[in-house]
Amino acid sequence: GAVVSQHPSWVICKSGTSVKIECRSLDFQATTMFWYRQFPKQSLMLMATSNEGSKATYEQGVEKDKFLINHASLTLSTLTVTSAHPEDSSFYICSARDTIGGEQYFGPGTRLTVT
Amino acid sequence: GQNIDQPTEMTATEGAIVQINCTYQTSGFNGLFWYQQHAGEAPTFLSYNVLDGLEEKGRFSSFLSRSKGYSYLLLKELQMKDSASYLCAVRDVVVTGGGNKLTFGTGTQLKVEL
Repeated sequence: GAVVSQHPSWVICKSGTSVKIECRSLDFQATTMFWYRQFPKQSLMLMATSNEGSKATYEQGVEKDKFLINHASLTLSTLTVTSAHPEDSSFYICSARDTIGGEQYFGPGTRLTVT
Repeated sequence: GQNIDQPTEMTATEGAIVQINCTYQTSGFNGLFWYQQHAGEAPTFLSYNVLDGLEEKGRFSSFLSRSKGYSYLLLKELQMKDSASYLCAVRDVVVTGGGNKLTFGTGTQLKVEL
């Protein structure tokens, strides 16, 4: 089946620093990728829709200058959390939509802890 | 926008059947998904409904009524490993932004007991 990878799987960073998370579709092309955030015991909240070669579409309440998204190729999207704060600590999950079949596959998630 | 409701928690006995309900209100509908998520892991796909009726896949079945904005996930012959969170997600039709969005419900934490 289709595989989506995320790197790193977990990261600890200091407050004020930036962290980049990569999302890759390994055996299919994804024109569209999605970034979700999940706090403990809560559901996934869509942060933004990442479109290859164009600007991401952010959900209401998500700061585009804080959460930078780059979708430079059909298999890679990156999310950079800039000037991270402890409240940004969360489980970040990406999802890639198969350009041909339309199915949406989830990555394994990245656990970010900001100290 | 989307409004998706699920019960927060459910408990069932190993070997039994459990039904997890999901109601939704949406401005545009392009399918309903059920996912299973174990703690600390990403969601895994269980089922997809876009037309009314029942979809069966092994021990899991999912039902959809578009006119009622209602779906349920039925789990049969429950096993201990089925203890997880079950997420209902609705896909809408997005004209701009390049793709359909999946909006998730709050999830139902299922506990299977002996």
